[in-house]
Amino acid sequence: AQRVTQPEKLLSVFKGAPVELKCNYSYSGSPELFWYVQYSRQRLQLLLRHISRESIKGFTADLNKGETSFHLKKPFAQEEDSAMYYCALSAGTNAGKSTFGDGTTLTVKP
Amino acid sequence: NAGVMQNPRHLVRRRGQEARLRCSPMKGHSHVYWYRQLPEEGLKFMVYLQKENIIDESGMPKERFSAEFPKEGPSILRIQQVVRGDSAAYFCASSPVESTEAFFGQGTRLTVV
Repeated sequence: AQRVTQPEKLLSVFKGAPVELKCNYSYSGSPELFWYVQYSRQRLQLLLRHISRESIKGFTADLNKGETSFHLKKPFAQEEDSAMYYCALSAGTNAGKSTFGDGTTLTVKP
Repeated sequence: NAGVMQNPRHLVRRRGQEARLRCSPMKGHSHVYWYRQLPEEGLKFMVYLQKENIIDESGMPKERFSAEFPKEGPSILRIQQVVRGDSAAYFCASSPVESTEAFFGQGTRLTVV
């Protein structure tokens, strides 16, 4: 069975501080991992996916198969990063069918 | 391209009534996915449809829930005889093919009173 765990419901940091949103997964095969972001009153949107190995808005995430983790990191948080972040796993390449974590609300304080 | 459009944004139904939620995918997208989000929880996959076909309904409750994606028109998620536990946000996503990116609508918040 697939499972995604985001252990922190709430995370608060000061502007300019590093931020790490944790994501652990459980899946027996080779997963595709994603991070989605939902800003206030906006729709859910894809932030990044591990297969692209890209950096979006200063965020990066590395898939660690040994620790079954896909933590999202940013070295210097900005106030506009305040949002809800969801980690998601797809068993294949079909991102439409994914298992989501419960989300972490990030607040960046001035 | 207006993105994935869901309507209504808010829907209030009394117990026992029917709820119909609509999802218009992005132009050119033939794959639609429905998710449910209960309070304080993440999105839970319900059903995956292509035009006129249900591909995967492994997340759909066995009773009262149905979904369709006709050749013409939006995808419909239908909940019959709603109960309080059906109160949730229902999200739709679409993709052009089985893709590494799905695009989400803004959701329909269903409240059963």
